[in-house]
Amino acid sequence: QKEVEQDPGPLSVPEGAIVSLNCTYSNSAFQYFMWYRQYSRKGPELLMYTYSSGNKEDGRFTAQVDKSSKYISLFIRDSQPSDSATYLCAMSLGGADGLTFGKGTHLIIQP
Amino acid sequence: DAGVTQSPTHLIKTRGQQVTLRCSPKSGHDTVSWYQQALGQGPQFIFQYYEEEERQRGNFPDRFSGHQFPNYSSELNVNALLLGDSALYLCASSLKGANSPLHFGNGTRLTVT
Repeated sequence: QKEVEQDPGPLSVPEGAIVSLNCTYSNSAFQYFMWYRQYSRKGPELLMYTYSSGNKEDGRFTAQVDKSSKYISLFIRDSQPSDSATYLCAMSLGGADGLTFGKGTHLIIQP
Repeated sequence: DAGVTQSPTHLIKTRGQQVTLRCSPKSGHDTVSWYQQALGQGPQFIFQYYEEEERQRGNFPDRFSGHQFPNYSSELNVNALLLGDSALYLCASSLKGANSPLHFGNGTRLTVT
């Protein structure tokens, strides 16, 4: 079992839909949770950064962390074609610990 | 405000050769981490440098080594290249001690033939 599981997709939804992306993990010691967006031939771009359990909202994006279930989610409201990209979840223990990434979900927003 | 910059953007090497990749961190950042991203996979942590020392290392062999300079820039060296080393190599910078999030560059695409 991998430390972080993420469905690679592709996930295709119509423009304007609400998108739900998620990851599960096995290491209960993870404290910091992130979502990155990666366009083709580019580096990952940080979207959301949360500590421990709870919700965080930033514009059209909402991140949720449920440490009891070892499950994190990213919701995108009013999805746009420009949101088409690969979305990577990542998590860490904190300190100098490196990030552990999921494989990424390829998202396609159809105009 | 310059973000993380990496050079070169693309590189082709032959099996057995050695390669050096370079990274300049985001302005104000003092910590540099390196990641390897194979096609269709998430990035994998190689190591982190702070105060010119390797602070943490992922599950990579000693063929992978690094260096951080007094101006916080960094190099990743890979010796005795294997075909399996072909990947996108990402540099990320952050601030130490604040559990600050990582900011990534656009990477160096290494192809080993």
